[in-house]
Amino acid sequence: QVQLVQSGAEVKKPGASVKVSCKASGYTFTSYGISWVRQAPGQGLEWMGWISAYNGNTNYAQKLQGRVTMTTDTSTSTAYMELRSLRSDDTAVYYCARSLYGDYMDYWGQGTLVTVSS
Amino acid sequence: NFMLTQPHSVSESPGKTVTISCTRSSGSIASNYVQWYQQRPGSSPTTVIYEDNQRPSGVPDRFSGSIDSSSNSASLTISGLKTEDEADYYCQSYDSSNGGVFGGGTKLTVL
Repeated sequence: QVQLVQSGAEVKKPGASVKVSCKASGYTFTSYGISWVRQAPGQGLEWMGWISAYNGNTNYAQKLQGRVTMTTDTSTSTAYMELRSLRSDDTAVYYCARSLYGDYMDYWGQGTLVTVSS
Repeated sequence: NFMLTQPHSVSESPGKTVTISCTRSSGSIASNYVQWYQQRPGSSPTTVIYEDNQRPSGVPDRFSGSIDSSSNSASLTISGLKTEDEADYYCQSYDSSNGGVFGGGTKLTVL
């Protein structure tokens, strides 16, 4: 069965960086992409971007351009999302989701809480 | 860039039918597929409708989706409401220029 297992919770100081991992299993990793979505406490879902696990092509949300980098490691079927220059309003649960082209997200990870606090 | 607007909350009684709307601010609703996700408290989202009106396996046929070009909106309809349907529901669409766009979410209360 398809599973996406994310790394554990992180606490970071403002200005630092965080890198969240998402290990996929149960399907051919390079046949799909991975989308990243975040949810601030008590708020709605926000699309962050998408990466193709086939060729590494990316599409980032405009508001995060320059601060976010998404990568994949096909040898371990793992996707990564790095967010730099963290601010308090980056505090959120970060989800990865399997997504063919960034549109329909059919399987989701369990989420990773990132807390940014001094 | 376009936005998707949903009602903040809806409520209905068990056994009844409820419809949640999702209105696209610019561009045609039919230009890009619409998905609907259900999120219960403390859980990851799950898909209830994809590509406007398709149900993933395991989602009961009480859930249906549609689009209406005249109102430029998509709708999620849940019939025979059950208490377990109480959750937040998000519509979502995507295009290569704007990336993914989520609606603000609708809290469904089944009382």
